[in-house]
Amino acid sequence: DAKTTQPTSMDCAEGRAANLPCNHSTISGNEYVYWYRQIHSQGPQYIIHGLKNNETNEMASLIITEDRKSSTLILPHATLRDTAVYYCIVRPNYNQGGKLIFGQGTELSVKP
Amino acid sequence: NAGVTQTPKFQVLKTGQSMTLQCAQDMNHNSMYWYRQDPGMGLRLIYYSASEGTTDKGEVPNGYNVSRLNKREFSLRLESAAPSQTSVYFCASSEGGSVSYGYTFGSGTRLTVV
Repeated sequence: DAKTTQPTSMDCAEGRAANLPCNHSTISGNEYVYWYRQIHSQGPQYIIHGLKNNETNEMASLIITEDRKSSTLILPHATLRDTAVYYCIVRPNYNQGGKLIFGQGTELSVKP
Repeated sequence: NAGVTQTPKFQVLKTGQSMTLQCAQDMNHNSMYWYRQDPGMGLRLIYYSASEGTTDKGEVPNGYNVSRLNKREFSLRLESAAPSQTSVYFCASSEGGSVSYGYTFGSGTRLTVV
């Protein structure tokens, strides 16, 4: 599976958009980009995933560059409850046993 | 509520003791997973089960065994606990197959080996 690179930490003001980048320059054609977050030692929570088109759901938007070598997770109006570690993961979306390999993630701090 | 249930939530073991961590899901998911998370680290995959009746090693399987008891349950066993196995253990499940709607994680088991 392709590796990802994320900044170690980021700050965001409450109410502003939080833009979390992820580089995955070795991504292959059958690999999807997944985002999860982990709030203070709870179990990770699925946010969103995509292949090459931009995706949006009730939690966030995912923007994937045309060459698919990087992506950005956007939380449109960050709140204090969005403070968490955010993980960007790439993996094929077919039955490989569904291995999801986590990296170090980005620690997002939303400040009042 | 639907989801992944882990028991126990907390456990303290002495070095050399054995124990089994239990995990059950009620979402009719095919695949189940065990991860560990050490302080300040990301999650590392210990073992997974792509479907009922199958299990495979993940990144850090040494010192652990697993059993996929049925479609709902996936247990993790420490035969002889060591201080290096002090960690938070998370169980997860997913649809598996070619359709992926993300993983659902349990709330974790906090294990201390002294």
